[in-house]
Amino acid sequence: NAGVTQTPKFQVLKTGQSMTLQCAQDMNHEYMSWYRQDPGMGLRLIHYSVGAGITDQGEVPNGYNVSRSTTEDFPLRLLSAAPSQTSVYFCASRYGTLNTEAFFGQGTRLTVV
Amino acid sequence: GQQLNQSPQSMFIQEGEDVSMNCTSSSIFNTWLWYKQDPGEGPVLLIALYKAGELTSNGRLTAQFGITRKDSFLNISASIPSDVGIYFCAGQGGAQKLVFGQGTRLTINP
Repeated sequence: NAGVTQTPKFQVLKTGQSMTLQCAQDMNHEYMSWYRQDPGMGLRLIHYSVGAGITDQGEVPNGYNVSRSTTEDFPLRLLSAAPSQTSVYFCASRYGTLNTEAFFGQGTRLTVV
Repeated sequence: GQQLNQSPQSMFIQEGEDVSMNCTSSSIFNTWLWYKQDPGEGPVLLIALYKAGELTSNGRLTAQFGITRKDSFLNISASIPSDVGIYFCAGQGGAQKLVFGQGTRLTINP
């Protein structure tokens, strides 16, 4: 099993550029989420989805869009990148909202210059 | 929103020493989780706690779900070099979202 796969692993963007961070899981998990990790701040929830066609905002959603057209995929879109979005991004999935064991991808390190 | 305070933020210990870290919250959680993150990797689950007062072990790791449901601790006994990394606590309340602590960075001197 591949688990949770994130691409790319590294990315440099110029301010104002757009891009999509990809996340895919092959465990048939209903619940998927995106976090950003900044030094000294732990992991903060950006957006999450409890199933295909359903998404909701987390703690820090501004500047990010998500969609969930399939159970497997949960892409994160930056419409107009800003330096404040420089961070490490993690995608996570879990079987259901009551089963809290979340599996994480390896992360995408994004730098916005 | 819900917040977790994790302490200490960093630890520098000698190989073989025991380690203790904890998380506290102003809110009640139904579940406490402890994760470890190695450099360049995503967090990996170490221990999950589902009941107040629960004490669970995973090898040299022991974690407890506080009786008030507002805190949890993680102990590592007889530390070894591969224990180096960042440890995160996470709590889940009624909203089903996971809230993470700021992390404890563990450094071990051989």
